[in-house]
Amino acid sequence: NAGVTQTPKFRVLKTGQSMTLLCAQDMNHEYMYWYRQDPGMGLRLIHYSVGEGTTAKGEVPDGYNVSRLKKQNFLLGLESAAPSQTSVYFCASSTRDYHYEQYFGPGTRLTVT
Amino acid sequence: AQSVTQPDIHITVSEGASLELRCNYSYGATPYLFWYVQSPGQGLQLLLKYFSGDTLVQGIKGFEAEFKRSQSSFNLRKPSVHWSDAAEYFCAVAPNQAGTALIFGKGTTLSVSS
Repeated sequence: NAGVTQTPKFRVLKTGQSMTLLCAQDMNHEYMYWYRQDPGMGLRLIHYSVGEGTTAKGEVPDGYNVSRLKKQNFLLGLESAAPSQTSVYFCASSTRDYHYEQYFGPGTRLTVT
Repeated sequence: AQSVTQPDIHITVSEGASLELRCNYSYGATPYLFWYVQSPGQGLQLLLKYFSGDTLVQGIKGFEAEFKRSQSSFNLRKPSVHWSDAAEYFCAVAPNQAGTALIFGKGTTLSVSS
């Protein structure tokens, strides 16, 4: 039981490049989330999903897109990366009944130059 | 708007000394309350949670937290700190609504001196 995994662990992009971060969970959780963590800012919610094929915006959604084609996977896309998107990205998942009890992945450190 | 405040950005405690990390929240009703810990280079791990009932909750690694409604606080405590407790600690609030996510404080970094 791997829990929540994230791919890749590290990535460096040039401004304007695109990439996709992959989150996978094997706990059969209905809800999944993407957060970004910046120094002194705590974690801020980017997008979340309450089920396969359903996504919703969080606190800081601009510049990101997401997809949840399969229950176990939640993808975060950056179409045209900007230096302001340099951050550590965390994926989390939870059950529907206890959606507030979230399990986090190890994070992806993204640098945009 | 709902918010979580952790007044202390950085705290240093001697090994073996007691610890208290402060957390205050702003929310109309009693929310669900959480403390998470993040070790360097790691993801977040849930330490403890409060939903209702006994206002003193026990968590993993010897931590406890007390919910005080009158002060809108949920402070984290440990009677004797170990060097391995050095990490960043986040308080979080979950509004009691389906489909909404956690609201995190900005975190408190704990250093442990020998």
